[in-house]
Amino acid sequence: KQEVTQIPAALSVPEGENLVLNCSFTDSAIYNLQWFRQDPGKGLTSLLLIQSSQREQTSGRLNASLDKSSGRSTLYIAASQPGDSATYLCAVKDFNKFYFGSGTKLNVKP
Amino acid sequence: GAVVSQHPSWVICKSGTSVKIECRSLDFQATTMFWYRQFPKQSLMLMATSNEGSKATYEQGVEKDKFLINHASLTLSTLTVTSAHPEDSSFYICSATLPRATNEQFFGPGTRLTVL
Repeated sequence: KQEVTQIPAALSVPEGENLVLNCSFTDSAIYNLQWFRQDPGKGLTSLLLIQSSQREQTSGRLNASLDKSSGRSTLYIAASQPGDSATYLCAVKDFNKFYFGSGTKLNVKP
Repeated sequence: GAVVSQHPSWVICKSGTSVKIECRSLDFQATTMFWYRQFPKQSLMLMATSNEGSKATYEQGVEKDKFLINHASLTLSTLTVTSAHPEDSSFYICSATLPRATNEQFFGPGTRLTVL
């Protein structure tokens, strides 16, 4: 069974810092990997989707990489802002299911 | 991007009553929708996969007679929590995938259920 782990569980940084969130998965046979953002009491907002054949995706200040062979993905956030404060979740998809990590709670201090 | 809505956004009910939660894909047809449950400060737990026109596939440990799922059309799936009890109180979120190769998943805003 696929297991997804996210490290660290929580992260607090000053505004303006660049940061990296990590996601690892145990079974490399995935279709895609998706990064989400969740604000307290809200649903999930899709940030980036990486297909299994891709190495990375970029959107604005966000860059996500995927190394399927080693079972790892990273989400890089450049020049962090207080508005980036949220919980970030990664999810991998196998044939018909999505498996979620437990998330990284990010706090960007002004 | 694709939009998924949920209704209601929150509901409070008495123990023993049934509650229905709707999940709609607003601007696309979703042959597959997913229902998740999220406890405070925890990640999402997949409850079931809902396929239009067929029975839902439930995850191990999820009672299908308690959590009734109906996917009657390509834009609507419903989750009914039957005979709700306080331990059913949780945040329920649905998602839908676009019917193309990317299989990108889009989430609804969630429904907060509180059972008194």
